[in-house]
Amino acid sequence: DSGVTQTPKHLITATGQRVTLRCSPRSGDLSVYWYQQSLDQGLQFLIQYYNGEERAKGNILERFSAQQFPDLHSELNLSSLELGDSALYFCASSVGPRDKQYFGPGTRLTVT
Amino acid sequence: AQTVTQSQPEMSVQEAETVTLSCTYDTSESDYYLFWYKQPPSRQMILVIRQEAYKQQNATENRFSVNFQKAAKSFSLKISDSQLGDAAMYFCAYASGSRLTFGEGTQLTVNP
Repeated sequence: DSGVTQTPKHLITATGQRVTLRCSPRSGDLSVYWYQQSLDQGLQFLIQYYNGEERAKGNILERFSAQQFPDLHSELNLSSLELGDSALYFCASSVGPRDKQYFGPGTRLTVT
Repeated sequence: AQTVTQSQPEMSVQEAETVTLSCTYDTSESDYYLFWYKQPPSRQMILVIRQEAYKQQNATENRFSVNFQKAAKSFSLKISDSQLGDAAMYFCAYASGSRLTFGEGTQLTVNP
């Protein structure tokens, strides 16, 4: 158990819908990262927050957005969902931007 | 852009034997970190080992060790005394800032 929690574990929804994925970092970690793992794209970095501020952006679609709240939990919002958004979404956390990243169990999103 | 290449999509090893997984990367940065993550069938991403580029000494974690060749931009993972529980997908990853860039992964099978 990495100490990073993600909810829900599984999510099945239809195209065009909007979902929110939630992540709670390890106690003491200020950085939160979101990654997407899909069959065709592999593991890709989406976005990073540090102590509530956006720090880095990767291959995140405009239909996706994220935020980190004052209690340091983070949410990833996916809207206008397409079949190709089906993937495993990981949250990771670290103490600081250059420290080891510990991954949560992931949320498996299926868009039908 | 930084890239990470794992040239072995699949590897197999006999229980108790040693196996080496290969990874090469491309970067123009001088300050960076390298990681190996393990993803078992549960899909959890587990940090195996971390290497700072400025350190010449190869990192070691119990049965796991790396061979870091900075000039050659090579970062291989050696697993000694392989166990059935080592069977998993192994990802090599690079970080110069905070985001991780992953290779395509190597599926390791451990034969009893």
